[in-house]
Amino acid sequence: DAMVIQNPRYQVTQFGKPVTLSCSQTLNHNVMYWYQQKSSQAPKLLFHYYDKDFNNEADTPDNFQSRRPNTSFCFLDIRSPGLGDAAMYLCATSQIAGETQYFGPGTRLLVL
Amino acid sequence: SQQGEEDPQALSIQEGENATMNCSYKTSINNLQWYRQNSGRGLVHLILIRSNEREKHSGRLRVTLDTSKKSSSLLITASRAADTASYFCATESNFGNEKLTFGTGTRLTIIP
Repeated sequence: DAMVIQNPRYQVTQFGKPVTLSCSQTLNHNVMYWYQQKSSQAPKLLFHYYDKDFNNEADTPDNFQSRRPNTSFCFLDIRSPGLGDAAMYLCATSQIAGETQYFGPGTRLLVL
Repeated sequence: SQQGEEDPQALSIQEGENATMNCSYKTSINNLQWYRQNSGRGLVHLILIRSNEREKHSGRLRVTLDTSKKSSSLLITASRAADTASYFCATESNFGNEKLTFGTGTRLTIIP
């Protein structure tokens, strides 16, 4: 089945230790998104790729970076995680930007 | 913030009853979407309604859109325990910015 896969599902890291979250898709969609979701809140868009074009949200901290080496994969790098970065990180894809998004199961990040 | 507001924040009903959730937004839109999120999981797309549509159905779901009031409602008929989840509306503005803005969500609990 075509899907969006996120690894790992749970990630524990230490304060200040770089961490990378990964997302892959078999849908062959052009657009990939990274969201941060804190408890009982709405998903907050961090950035998105339209094909290879990177679009950063104005309020996304510089601590967050992303890479999309090919259509199928996208990575979220947190260079120096702080306690406030503990959250669920959601990857999503869409064939047409602004239309239906398909989400992965998320990676829950814990920062110690 | 252009984030939408959902009402109520939480709703508990008996199994078999109908559940209605409301969403208000601030900007002119191309489309409005509803998503479901089970606890600790990714979001699942439910339905998309375009700005020139007033009502849409999908199974037990009915969505209405009133662009003059900048509001939408999601009705779930004959609720089931499996409908227990958080429900988010999301809008694509007509500024052509290729992304969705999510509302604050409604936490729905179906009591068996």
